[in-house]
Amino acid sequence: NAGVTQTPKFRILKIGQSMTLQCTQDMNHNYMYWYRQDPGMGLKLIYYSVGAGITDKGEVPNGYNVSRSTTEDFPLRLELAAPSQTSVYFCASRAGLAGPYTDTQYFGPGTRLTVL
Amino acid sequence: DAKTTQPPSMDCAEGRAANLPCNHSTISGNEYVYWYRQIHSQGPQYIIHGLKNNETNEMASLIITEDRKSSTLILPHATLRDTAVYYCIVRPNTGTASKLTFGTGTRLQVTL
Repeated sequence: NAGVTQTPKFRILKIGQSMTLQCTQDMNHNYMYWYRQDPGMGLKLIYYSVGAGITDKGEVPNGYNVSRSTTEDFPLRLELAAPSQTSVYFCASRAGLAGPYTDTQYFGPGTRLTVL
Repeated sequence: DAKTTQPPSMDCAEGRAANLPCNHSTISGNEYVYWYRQIHSQGPQYIIHGLKNNETNEMASLIITEDRKSSTLILPHATLRDTAVYYCIVRPNTGTASKLTFGTGTRLQVTL
């Protein structure tokens, strides 16, 4: 299994441009998450999904959109990039079944985004 | 979710045990203690979790005090590759979409 993969690894955007960060998992996990991490800070949840067709906002959803058309994919869309969105973005997934051993989140390698 | 307190940084000599403390004095009865780590520029990695019993796996041991108000993550023989930020997270394991709340963690530096 590749686990959680993210593309691209790096991206530079100009203010006002848009882009989609891709996230794919091959573990057949129900739950998927998008986090952002600013320098020296912990991770903050942007959006999450409990299954195909179901998404919900996290702590910092403004400026982002998501969709979940399949179990495997959970893309994050930035419509009008702003310098405040300069960050490292991590996608994660977990099985979501009841029980402590299925509650572990598996993270992708991250996408480093700079908005100038 | 219960709040956690960790020291901002710690040093450890290679080959020695690294003991990382975490205070979670407001933990509830149904909340688990999770530990993740983040090696520089990588995504966080799950290490271990527990409810009230001590736990051990191939990566680490988790010691939870009897009153569950604090815990210690133990890396028995730290190596340079264990240099990372370690996050202690307390949350209920309900099988719902409950997300992880990351604080700023403890930056562990393993030195020769």
